[in-house]
Amino acid sequence: KQEVTQIPAALSVPEGENLVLNCSFTDSAIYNLQWFRQDPGKGLTSLLLIQSSQREQTSGRLNASLDKSSGRSTLYIAASQPGDSATYLCAVKKGGGSEKLVFGKGTKLTVNP
Amino acid sequence: EAGVAQSPRYKIIEKRQSVAFWCNPISGHATLYWYQQILGQGPKLLIQFQNNGVVDDSQLPKDRFSAERLKGVDSTLKIQPAKLEDSAVYLCASSYRGLAGGGRYQETQYFGPGTRLLVL
Repeated sequence: KQEVTQIPAALSVPEGENLVLNCSFTDSAIYNLQWFRQDPGKGLTSLLLIQSSQREQTSGRLNASLDKSSGRSTLYIAASQPGDSATYLCAVKKGGGSEKLVFGKGTKLTVNP
Repeated sequence: EAGVAQSPRYKIIEKRQSVAFWCNPISGHATLYWYQQILGQGPKLLIQFQNNGVVDDSQLPKDRFSAERLKGVDSTLKIQPAKLEDSAVYLCASSYRGLAGGGRYQETQYFGPGTRLLVL
């Protein structure tokens, strides 16, 4: 059974700092890995999707890496801003045609002005 | 493009009562998902529809939860009777499969704002 773990559970940083969020998964047979952002009272917004054959994806100040063999992914946020404050969720999709996403519990990020 | 719509946004009921949630996916999206997100947890898939057929309902507590997607568009999730542990946010998502770079198919799920349920 696939299990996804995110560390840390919560993180508070001053504005402008670079930071890394971690995600690990137990079964390396994944189709892809996705990072989502969740704001209070709102749904999830997809940030980055990395296919199993890829090593990283970048979007603006965000960079996500994937090491499938070790079951790890990181989300790097450069020059953090107060608007980045949210919960960040990591999810993996199993291969073999299943569209099911297995989520971690998330990391709650607070960026202080 | 309009996003995934859900209603109601909030619901408070007493245990053993019934409740229903509604979801309207993005137009043209064949796949629809219902997730349960308990406070402090990640979303857990309850049921997945492909058009109006069920693809995966392995984690749906079928003794009290039911879902349908008539005509392959809107969907309703029902809980009857509700228990205290059903207090959670119920998220609906829809997706379509399109070609990504390199000729590989990629599916992106778009989430609605969720319905926050409190069972007293």
